[in-house]
Amino acid sequence: AQSVTQLGSHVSVSEGALVLLRCNYSSSVPPYLFWYVQYPNQGLQLLLKYTSAATLVKGINGFEAEFKKSETSFHLTKPSAHMSDAAEYFCAVSDGNGNKLVFGAGTILRVKS
Amino acid sequence: DAGVIQSPRHEVTEMGQEVTLRCKPISGHDYLFWYRQTMMRGLELLIYFNNNVPIDDSGMPEDRFSAKMPNASFSTLKIQPSEPRDSAVYFCASSLIGQPQHFGDGTRLSIL
Repeated sequence: AQSVTQLGSHVSVSEGALVLLRCNYSSSVPPYLFWYVQYPNQGLQLLLKYTSAATLVKGINGFEAEFKKSETSFHLTKPSAHMSDAAEYFCAVSDGNGNKLVFGAGTILRVKS
Repeated sequence: DAGVIQSPRHEVTEMGQEVTLRCKPISGHDYLFWYRQTMMRGLELLIYFNNNVPIDDSGMPEDRFSAKMPNASFSTLKIQPSEPRDSAVYFCASSLIGQPQHFGDGTRLSIL
């Protein structure tokens, strides 16, 4: 069975500071990993995905994530936070065909001015 | 390009009533997923279809919930009878095999 753990249900950073959202996964098969963002009253939007190619994945809005098999981690980072980054972020894992996503509990990112 | 379209966006109804949520997937996508999002349980996969056929409905909470996909461009999630604990945001998503899922904006359901 696959599972995802997101460390920290709430993260608060200052505008311009580094954003680091943590995700650890468990999977019995080589995983596909995803980060999604959800703005209030909207659906989930894909930020980036890892599908066994490069371990450092670049996504939209300046976000990137690094797949570390030895640590079973897929942390999301952004060098400089903007106010518009305030949202809820979800890490998800799936089996090799990319279906049946299992989501983490989500991390709400707050950006302080 | 049109994304996944869900209707209605908001639904408020009384306990015991039938509720029908609708979804139009992205044209050409052959997978369709229904999720439920609550504060307590987060995002849960209820059921998913491949080529209009239900593949896994193990997440459907109980017999009061049913889902259909009569054709490639339309799916429904029905709750009958509805209960207050069904209040949640219900999302539909679609994808091609091996590709990320695209989500609709959801239906916010309140059962009084």
